Amino acid sequence: IAGITQAPTSQILAAGRRMTLRCTQDMRHNAMYWYRQDLGLGLRLIHYSNTAGTTGKGEVPDGYSVSRANTDDFPLTLASAVPSQTSVYFCASSDSTETGVNEQFFGPGTRLTVL
Amino acid sequence: QKEVEQNSGPLSVPEGAIASLNCTYSDRGSQSFFWYRQYSGKSPELIMSIYSNGDKEDGRFTAQLNKASQYVSLLIRDSQPSDSATYLCAVDSGGGADGLTFGKGTHLIIQP
Repeated sequence: IAGITQAPTSQILAAGRRMTLRCTQDMRHNAMYWYRQDLGLGLRLIHYSNTAGTTGKGEVPDGYSVSRANTDDFPLTLASAVPSQTSVYFCASSDSTETGVNEQFFGPGTRLTVL
Repeated sequence: QKEVEQNSGPLSVPEGAIASLNCTYSDRGSQSFFWYRQYSGKSPELIMSIYSNGDKEDGRFTAQLNKASQYVSLLIRDSQPSDSATYLCAVDSGGGADGLTFGKGTHLIIQP
């Protein structure tokens, strides 16, 4: 099935625990992104990757890390979760090298609650 | 700080009428502009993209761009109840594969 998958769908996590949110795309897009969406704040970029092997920081990177070992996967790790990281997390991808424009397509999201 | 502003709404429009959604952006160097639709509890879905000044039509949707005024709009003709959703305006200032800057969205309600 073409598109972006995210796992888990939802998770309740104790503060201080480590958590990795998974994101996989099968569209061979070069670029991938992680956003968080919070009520009243909208979508904010956490980290991005222009191509496998490279990553960059977005607007709200603190407390998060990412890796891009291959084209398809872009996991987001919370090393020590805090309640302010309670949010809905969306992974997205785009094929800017093919089209020259940054049309981003989103995964279904992960709803994370940190207690 | 790149900013994208939208009226949060709710914007209530009768079924069959034209819904008009507006967006302004702060970065004059912005190059690409996008409209996403997001149903409650779902992920954003790309519905329109526009790169040049003027209008771009796709079915019932028309995107309008005025770079001089730093203004983007989305018109939905013959509005249907299924168009009820939050509409997100997004701007790409980087010209490459970095993130988009999103507005907080306008909640649109189509009244049957």
